Amino acid sequence: EAGVAQSPRYKIIEKRQSVAFWCNPISGHATLYWYQQILGQGPKLLIQFQNNGVVDDSQLPKDRFSAERLKGVDSTLKIQPAKLEDSAVYLCASSLVGRAQYFGPGTRLLVL
Amino acid sequence: AQTVTQSQPEMSVQEAETVTLSCTYDTSENNYYLFWYKQPPSRQMILVIRQEAYKQQNATENRFSVNFQKAAKSFSLKISDSQLGDTAMYFCASETLSGNLIFGKGTKLSVKP
Repeated sequence: EAGVAQSPRYKIIEKRQSVAFWCNPISGHATLYWYQQILGQGPKLLIQFQNNGVVDDSQLPKDRFSAERLKGVDSTLKIQPAKLEDSAVYLCASSLVGRAQYFGPGTRLLVL
Repeated sequence: AQTVTQSQPEMSVQEAETVTLSCTYDTSENNYYLFWYKQPPSRQMILVIRQEAYKQQNATENRFSVNFQKAAKSFSLKISDSQLGDTAMYFCASETLSGNLIFGKGTKLSVKP
């Protein structure tokens, strides 16, 4: 069974630029999560989707971050414009409803 | 708000020895799940073990087991027969009502040969 796929693995941008991350969950997983992991900390939820609907986006900085999950499968997370403090690893996870989450390899973002 | 606390930033253990990582949590839920995840230097978060709060029996997965004390809101991870491949960051997490995870800050475990 293929795991959660994410791309790109690494991205370096300058502040005020925009960037987008892509996630393909495990086949059949209805729930998809985006987490932000700043160096030295545990992951923090940004947004949670159930199929193509948003369950929780209370910690998403909506002035600069946006996410979508069209057709309830793949998801894209965008940052526009990026700030220095957005430097982090962005983790995508998926799960069956009520089951454990499985994580992708993450995208490491460096904002200069 | 739910919180998860890991009080040991770093730990080390000799290969083949046993080590216990501590975790405490706070939740107002009656039924919930607790998790331990492992994050090696490659950064892929890997599920180690899962505990259902309504089950009194501690979860076990091969060399990994938990000591779940519901009244004390404590959820420690025991690694037996430590191997070099166990070297990683270990995160304790609790699940919210909507299903997302609240993570602790992690414990960096080093297994020494």
